[in-house]
Amino acid sequence: AQSVTQLDSHVSVSEGTPVLLRCNYSSSYSPSLFWYVQHPNKGLQLLLKYTSAATLVKGINGFEAEFKKSETSFHLTKPSAHMSDAAEYFCVVTLRGSTLGRLYFGRGTQLTVWP
Amino acid sequence: DAGVIQSPRHEVTEMGQEVTLRCKPISGHDYLFWYRQTMMRGLELLIYFNNNVPIDDSGMPEDRFSAKMPNASFSTLKIQPSEPRDSAVYFCASSPGTGGSGANVLTFGAGSRLTVL
Repeated sequence: AQSVTQLDSHVSVSEGTPVLLRCNYSSSYSPSLFWYVQHPNKGLQLLLKYTSAATLVKGINGFEAEFKKSETSFHLTKPSAHMSDAAEYFCVVTLRGSTLGRLYFGRGTQLTVWP
Repeated sequence: DAGVIQSPRHEVTEMGQEVTLRCKPISGHDYLFWYRQTMMRGLELLIYFNNNVPIDDSGMPEDRFSAKMPNASFSTLKIQPSEPRDSAVYFCASSPGTGGSGANVLTFGAGSRLTVL
């Protein structure tokens, strides 16, 4: 069985300070992991993905995430928050394989950035 | 490519009316997904297709909901009759599948915001 837990429903940071959005997953097999971002009244957009290569994955807008199998985590980080980063972030897991199966979405983390 | 195109962007209807949401996936994408997003339940997968064939419709709430994909470039999600609890944002997404640089990546449309009065 697969599932995703986003540990914080809301995170607030000041502009210029680091961002940490936490995600833990449960997967019986080798997972593919993703982070998506959703700005208000928009669809979801891919930030980054992990498949099977480097465990530290770099994405758009300065975000990165590290796959830690021993901790079953895939936390999203950014060294310095910008006002435009305020959005909702979703961690996603799917089973890596020959066919695309069901994707499991976390409940989302709302990021607020204070000036 | 214009991305995933959804219509209408906004729909307001009265309880009991039929609602049809439409989606045009990215050309060449073999997978199409329908999701529903609400504050209470978050993002829920309703159904997904592979090569126009429904693969998993276990998320479809009840018989009032139906989805079709008559060809590779068009899908519909229909609610008949609609109820106030169906009010949500409905997203369509497509994916090229498991191969290439876009493997397993979903591209989402902008969504259709449905309000049932």
